[in-house]
Amino acid sequence: EIVMTQSPATLSVSPGERATLSCRASQSVTSNLAWYQQKPGQAPRLLIYGASTRATGIPARFSGSGSGTEFTLTISSLQSEDFAVYYCQQYNDWPTFGQGTKVEIK
Amino acid sequence: EVQLVESGGGLVKPGGSLRLSCEASGFTFSSYTMNWVRQAPGRGLEWVSSISGKSSFIYYADSVRGRFTVSRDNPKNSLFLQVNSLRAEDTAVYYCARVPSGSYSDYWGQGTLVTVSS
Repeated sequence: EIVMTQSPATLSVSPGERATLSCRASQSVTSNLAWYQQKPGQAPRLLIYGASTRATGIPARFSGSGSGTEFTLTISSLQSEDFAVYYCQQYNDWPTFGQGTKVEIK
Repeated sequence: EVQLVESGGGLVKPGGSLRLSCEASGFTFSSYTMNWVRQAPGRGLEWVSSISGKSSFIYYADSVRGRFTVSRDNPKNSLFLQVNSLRAEDTAVYYCARVPSGSYSDYWGQGTLVTVSS
């Protein structure tokens, strides 16, 4: 099983600031990585797939980068609606998720 | 508009069974692999099972293999998860989700809660 490790567990950011979230895979997943956003009481929402391709309707302030074992989700200027939990998921092998990063208001 | 609506969750005793359903609309259901993903209360996401469009390929997580069975009825645009021999650790919200390619999910239902408790 490929283990996905996200850091930090919690990120405190002020509105308008940049947020950088990390995801590391225990072995290479090439570019088979997705990012999701989840708000309380809601289903996850796909943000990024293929490590860097934004899903339909996702604002340009969300960007993904990386390949192999190291990945980053960047939110260029945090809006109020962006405070949520973010998960990475690899799909190079049996799908596995990271434990999540909570982005909270500073 | 793509919509996925789960149902069938509830409170069940350890060792019990449930049949979860997911009704799909807004897309050609038979053309897509579908996932079941679960989330225990206050925890992260866990992939449970995948089934290809024509049911040719079916996969399960080790944690549920032998106890859960996924199936689909394409003419009725429906996905199912039969969950047997339930354990306390199966308590979770169960989501169905569409797979556009690979094994990531682009559309998710709102989930159905399964609670296993005596």
